[in-house]
Amino acid sequence: DAGVTQSPTHLIKTRGQQVTLRCSPKSGHDTVSWYQQALGQGPQFIFQYYEEEERQRGNFPDRFSGHQFPNYSSELNVNALLLGDSALYLCASSPRRPGITANYGYTFGSGTRLTVV
Amino acid sequence: AQSVTQPDIHITVSEGASLELRCNYSYGATPYLFWYVQSPGQGLQLLLKYFSGDTLVQGIKGFEAEFKRSQSSFNLRKPSVHWSDAAEYFCAVGPLTGGGNKLTFGTGTQLKVEL
Repeated sequence: DAGVTQSPTHLIKTRGQQVTLRCSPKSGHDTVSWYQQALGQGPQFIFQYYEEEERQRGNFPDRFSGHQFPNYSSELNVNALLLGDSALYLCASSPRRPGITANYGYTFGSGTRLTVV
Repeated sequence: AQSVTQPDIHITVSEGASLELRCNYSYGATPYLFWYVQSPGQGLQLLLKYFSGDTLVQGIKGFEAEFKRSQSSFNLRKPSVHWSDAAEYFCAVGPLTGGGNKLTFGTGTQLKVEL
């Protein structure tokens, strides 16, 4: 059973450019969350998608946007890249089930390492 | 606003020694509590979680954690550390109600195991 797949694994971009990161959730999961993990920091919540809509958002600027497709896969887009956007971007999928505790059944991908130069 | 504090950035222990990693949280009410482990180049793996009930929870790889409401703490322990436990450990919290299921993480504790 495949877990969460993220692509690409590594990426180097120039300041001001735009980037798209991709995530395929674990089979049976319909919710995708994105986290940013800067070097030496814990992951920070960016946003969450289910039913193809953004449902929750963390404290990130509008330069960060996303999309979820009918097959539950998701994209994270970052516009006008800054040096400070350099980080590991983690995708986590989870199921939506009755009872909130089941919805914490996250599976994390290995991440995309984005370097902005 | 909710926050998670892991006061130890780095910890070094000898193989076979016991381990305790500290975690304190600040939250409006008792949240759901989690410990994750991250090996280099890997995503996060759930070690254990606390939702309710017995305050001592058992996890994978021989880890356990104890929830202490009076201290707002959820410390991770292991009686005998193995070299393969070297990794970064993150404590996280999530809301019981009203805030979806987003996780708030601490800054992590890097564990080094000396042979």
